[in-house]
Amino acid sequence: QKEVEQNSGPLSVPEGAIASLNCTYSDRGSQSFFWYRQYSGKSPELIMSIYSNGDKEDGRFTAQLNKASQYVSLLIRDSQPSDSATYLCAVRIISNFGNEKLTFGTGTRLTIIP
Amino acid sequence: DGGITQSPKYLFRKEGQNVTLSCEQNLNHDAMYWYRQDPGQGLRLIYYSQIVNDFQKGDIAEGYSVSREKKESFPLTVTSAQKNPTAFYLCASSITGAANEQFFGPGTRLTVL
Repeated sequence: QKEVEQNSGPLSVPEGAIASLNCTYSDRGSQSFFWYRQYSGKSPELIMSIYSNGDKEDGRFTAQLNKASQYVSLLIRDSQPSDSATYLCAVRIISNFGNEKLTFGTGTRLTIIP
Repeated sequence: DGGITQSPKYLFRKEGQNVTLSCEQNLNHDAMYWYRQDPGQGLRLIYYSQIVNDFQKGDIAEGYSVSREKKESFPLTVTSAQKNPTAFYLCASSITGAANEQFFGPGTRLTVL
């Protein structure tokens, strides 16, 4: 089982609709969760971080965390063509040797259709 | 402007050559990281450093080396021992360890000819 799993997509959403991106993780002890947006050929850009169960809103973005079910999601309201990108989920994991690191999913490619 | 810079943006290497990728940050971050990204894959951790003069191997350290002589700088050397070095290399930094948010530089795209 992969440590962090995402549906690779592509996910196509009409402009103005809500895009929903999901991520599951295997380490129950994980405490920190991040969503990055990556445009083609560019580096990842941090858009949301969440540490507690529940919802966290920032503009058109809402991150949702459910530690009991081990999933974290990202909702994008009023989707715009500029939201078309690959979205990476990252989870802070403590390794077998006690080191902490971020583990990334492979990303979900989102396309907003005008 | 505060940020992370990487150079060069594009790098071409002949087989058997060592090359060094530069990463500099002026965010006063303690921790720095190197990742590798291959097409259709997630980011894989090569090396990381949480303080000056100390660094740890990540998941795919073989064929790579790093140094951390200054807080601002964390160069990565891709040695000839790395069998498949063609990839997009990303440097990141954060305040302390992996618990905090990591911010990425623009990346270096390395191609082996």
